[in-house]
Amino acid sequence: EPEVTQTPSHQVTQMGQEVILRCVPISNHLYFYWYRQILGQKVEFLVSFYNNEISEKSEIFDDQFSVERPDGSNFTLKIRSTKLEDSAMYFCASSELGLYGYTFGSGTRLTVV
Amino acid sequence: KQEVTQIPAALSVPEGENLVLNCSFTDSAIYNLQWFRQDPGKGLTSLLLIQSSQREQTSGRLNASLDKSSGRSTLYIAASQPGDSATYLCAITSGTYKYIFGTGTRLKVLA
Repeated sequence: EPEVTQTPSHQVTQMGQEVILRCVPISNHLYFYWYRQILGQKVEFLVSFYNNEISEKSEIFDDQFSVERPDGSNFTLKIRSTKLEDSAMYFCASSELGLYGYTFGSGTRLTVV
Repeated sequence: KQEVTQIPAALSVPEGENLVLNCSFTDSAIYNLQWFRQDPGKGLTSLLLIQSSQREQTSGRLNASLDKSSGRSTLYIAASQPGDSATYLCAITSGTYKYIFGTGTRLKVLA
């Protein structure tokens, strides 16, 4: 069964550093998403991306965050200057057509020290 | 603003019991509701998807029901097994392509 692949599975970074989290969505999917889950809290929506532009973003997704689809297969989330409170599990998801075939990746655990 | 709540927050049952997990939402204008399973430190595995026009979905020992008018969904697990131990998350969409998640129910099935 097709999967959404995220790398790395765990990343440790120093406060103030830039990080890029990578995702390979399912190949025929057109919609891409990032969510995050702070330890012990709800999974929260960050951003959705379609047709090479952001279609929706949450209040969490401020100027420190950006997303990009640099080529035909990768979808990345960049955090420009990490803070301690950015420590969380970040999930990528993709869907074929809107909500159809919505599939989550296994996540990247980001630890900011 | 849509809020999703799950009760109970944690549940511990002996193997073989049938159990019910509850999910409630504040705005009945939902597009669909999905139940996920999350193992510790892992990703989200989709279990059942109920579209707004449907009342229930079944997969194996799992049955999910949806009552939009009362803002509730239940996930029924029959004959629970230790391998069912995980956190179960309910999530809804309301016309956009994002999910709003509940806080989850942490289930432990004792052998």
